[in-house]
Amino acid sequence: EIVLTQSPGTLSLSPGERATLSCRASQSVSSRYLAWYQQKPGQAPRLLIYGASSRATGIPDRFSGSGSGTDFTLTISRLEPEDFAVYYCQQYGSSPITFGQGTRLEIK
Amino acid sequence: EVQLVQSGAEVKKPGESLKISCKGSGYSFTTYWIGWVRQMPGKGLEWMGIIYPGDSDTRYSPSFQGQVTISADKSISTAYLQWSTLKASDTAMYYCARVVTYDSGGYYALYWGQGTLVTVSS
Repeated sequence: EIVLTQSPGTLSLSPGERATLSCRASQSVSSRYLAWYQQKPGQAPRLLIYGASSRATGIPDRFSGSGSGTDFTLTISRLEPEDFAVYYCQQYGSSPITFGQGTRLEIK
Repeated sequence: EVQLVQSGAEVKKPGESLKISCKGSGYSFTTYWIGWVRQMPGKGLEWMGIIYPGDSDTRYSPSFQGQVTISADKSISTAYLQWSTLKASDTAMYYCARVVTYDSGGYYALYWGQGTLVTVSS
């Protein structure tokens, strides 16, 4: 099983700042099969990124994904107030499909 | 517009059975896989399994094999998640999601239901 470790656990930033979230896999994720989701309190998750770097439909271009192998990054270029949420990575390159434990992005 | 509408919150006692539902609309229900995700209180996301409503082909994550049953009724565009004997540890939010699948067997969730909160308490 591929274990995904997200860091930091909590990230405190101000609107307008740049956020960099990390997702590290215990084994190489094949074909860059890595997705990112955003979850706000009381809401279902929302797909942001798939294929490590492809934005889902309707996702603003301030969200970008990068990485390959075992190291992946979600970058939010300029934080908007609505971006403060929990972010999860998920690998779908090998079974079982696994999520990271999440990074909480909070307002500083 | 693709929509997945889940059944309402449930409060059950340990040992009871339960079946929750997820109704799809706005797309061809039989041609896309539907998955279920568990989120325990204050915790992260876990895939439970997926089903192809067209032929009811079902694949369970190892942690959930034998613990739950995933099914679908394509005549009413509805997928189900079922427990025969609930435990307190089944208390969680459960989400259904329409997934994008790959030949490798991998998948991710593109559309999500609103979630069903299941509380199991004596």
